Amino acid sequence: GDSVTQMEGPVTLSEEAFLTINCTYTATGYPSLFWYVQYPGEGLQLLLKATKADDKGSNKGFEATYRKETTSFHLEKGSVQVSDSAVYFCALTGGSEKLVFGKGTKLTVNP
Amino acid sequence: DTEVTQTPKHLVMGMTNKKSLKCEQHMGHRAMYWYKQKAKKPPELMFVYSYEKLSINESVPSRFSPECPNSSLLNLHLHALQPEDSALYLCASSLWTGESSPLHFGNGTRLTVT
Repeated sequence: GDSVTQMEGPVTLSEEAFLTINCTYTATGYPSLFWYVQYPGEGLQLLLKATKADDKGSNKGFEATYRKETTSFHLEKGSVQVSDSAVYFCALTGGSEKLVFGKGTKLTVNP
Repeated sequence: DTEVTQTPKHLVMGMTNKKSLKCEQHMGHRAMYWYKQKAKKPPELMFVYSYEKLSINESVPSRFSPECPNSSLLNLHLHALQPEDSALYLCASSLWTGESSPLHFGNGTRLTVT
């Protein structure tokens, strides 16, 4: 079945550091790919998405590119802020129409 | 502010109680979802409603009973729960259940079963 593998956390960075959270997937066909973010005490928010190969999703300084050849959708940000501290989930929807989540990566950004 | 509103924010209930969780959206979305999230885990799908009809039930125990009275409302009725059912219950909606339609989540109801 479809699956998503994220890098294990937690990740701790200093403010203005570069962020990469790795995400790879296994799916039949051509899934849509998403990054969701969950701030403490809140539900999940869609951060960005990509629906076909080579698409780049971007939002709030975060970017991820749909790489079919490496089945990856790594999340990057050039300069993180304290307010980016949250849990980040990579996810996909494929043929089953269900959203399949990775395990989540907790990011802490220190001032 | 989230566009999916869940009430209550917190709920404590005994194992013999009956309670309901409520979810509302006014975005014109035709698909609505219930998820359960345990601490430090991703959300787990429980139910999906599409055009007010139950389309997916992920083998959830019958002590959880969903209801979709109309296209804007989704309820989850709880009865005879167990302590291990304590979790964050998230409601979500999407335009439709197609693979490219992202989900919009509420902030959840934090449920504690004593």
